[in-house]
Amino acid sequence: EVQVVESGGGSVQPGESLRLSCAASGFTFSRDSMNWVRQAPGKGLEWVSFISSSSRTIYYADSVKGRFTISRDNAKNSLYLQMNSLRDEDTAKYYCARGQGWFDTWGQGTPVTVSS
Amino acid sequence: DIQMTQSPSSLSASVGDRVTITCRASQGITIWLAWYQQKPEKAPKSLIYAASSLQSGVPSRFSGSGSGTDFTLTISSLQPEDSATYYCQQYDSYPWTFGQGTKVEIK
Repeated sequence: EVQVVESGGGSVQPGESLRLSCAASGFTFSRDSMNWVRQAPGKGLEWVSFISSSSRTIYYADSVKGRFTISRDNAKNSLYLQMNSLRDEDTAKYYCARGQGWFDTWGQGTPVTVSS
Repeated sequence: DIQMTQSPSSLSASVGDRVTITCRASQGITIWLAWYQQKPEKAPKSLIYAASSLQSGVPSRFSGSGSGTDFTLTISSLQPEDSATYYCQQYDSYPWTFGQGTKVEIK
């Protein structure tokens, strides 16, 4: 079964850091591009970041550029999101999603709360 | 950034009804549009990609159409399990952007 499972979410104060992880299984992770997409409480979906299969191409939404870093370890079938200088507006559920353009596989998400 | 506007924001329909949701892009995106279904407290689920291609495993009552700036998602015969919020998303250019969502309720 094709599956991605996120972890690493939690509650932090503004300015702090958090690292999210996404474990992939059931497909050849090293061949697929991956993304992070987030959803603030009661709000819609926002694409956050993209990484190509080889990590050669990376994109970020303007809202996180310079603060978040996406990476992957193909040997471990894992995707990461390092989030620094967190702000209140980063509070959301963060989803790991497979795809280059559209997202055919989503995890259940990991919640991140930024609050003082 | 390309803005995606869905209409209506919400709708209520009866089981068996034909339901249509519209998505408009602020500039042409050829066919690079996807549709997702999200139920409360669940992850989004892919329904349609490339405007009209049905994701494997998705019931055939779901269909998509359109190109350029105007797109539609149609549910040919609404079922109780279709109660959800539906999002369109463009992937013509970065940043990829979503519509604000359309909540579909069953009467």
